[in-house]
Amino acid sequence: EAGVTQSPTHLIKTRGQQATLRCSPISGHTSVYWYQQALGLGLQFLLWYDEGEERNRGNFPPRFSGRQFPNYSSELNVNALELEDSALYLCASSLGTRVSTFGSGTRLTVV
Amino acid sequence: KQEVTQIPAALSVPEGENLVLNCSFTDSAIYNLQWFRQDPGKGLTSLLLIQSSQREQTSGRLNASLDKSSGRSTLYIAASQPGDSATYLCAVIMYSGGGADGLTFGKGTHLIIQP
Repeated sequence: EAGVTQSPTHLIKTRGQQATLRCSPISGHTSVYWYQQALGLGLQFLLWYDEGEERNRGNFPPRFSGRQFPNYSSELNVNALELEDSALYLCASSLGTRVSTFGSGTRLTVV
Repeated sequence: KQEVTQIPAALSVPEGENLVLNCSFTDSAIYNLQWFRQDPGKGLTSLLLIQSSQREQTSGRLNASLDKSSGRSTLYIAASQPGDSATYLCAVIMYSGGGADGLTFGKGTHLIIQP
């Protein structure tokens, strides 16, 4: 069974640009979660999608947005990039409230 | 607002020792608690999941306990090995009525096992 896959592995963007990160959940999982892991701040919950709808979001500005497609894959979009957006972005998938399985992450660097 | 604290922040022990990592949370109304391992720059590997109705879970040399009433969990690692070196994260999940919220993580314990 394929795990949670994220792409790209690394992404370098210039301040002010937009970044798009992608996540494919485990087959059969309907929920996708996005987390940000910035240096020194720990893992912070960003967004939760389930059945194509945004169910909850963490304490992040609106320039962090995303969507979930009919096949349950998801995109995270970060607009107007700032230097402090540099972080490891992790995606996780689950079915209901069962075990969340994480991907290997996308390392976003804003220069 | 749920807060998760992990103690110690860092730990370095010789190979072969048994060790205990601690996790505490402020809101005891959790749905479940999960322990993860993270290697440098990598994603998370789930180690153990404890449902709120359970007291402990075991997997190989790992044993996790949960005391919901006191807001505590411990991860016990027996006979530690250099390959156990990683950051260990504790996370809780709340149930918000409409479904599961995202995991709330502690900042982790950075563990080094000296050969």
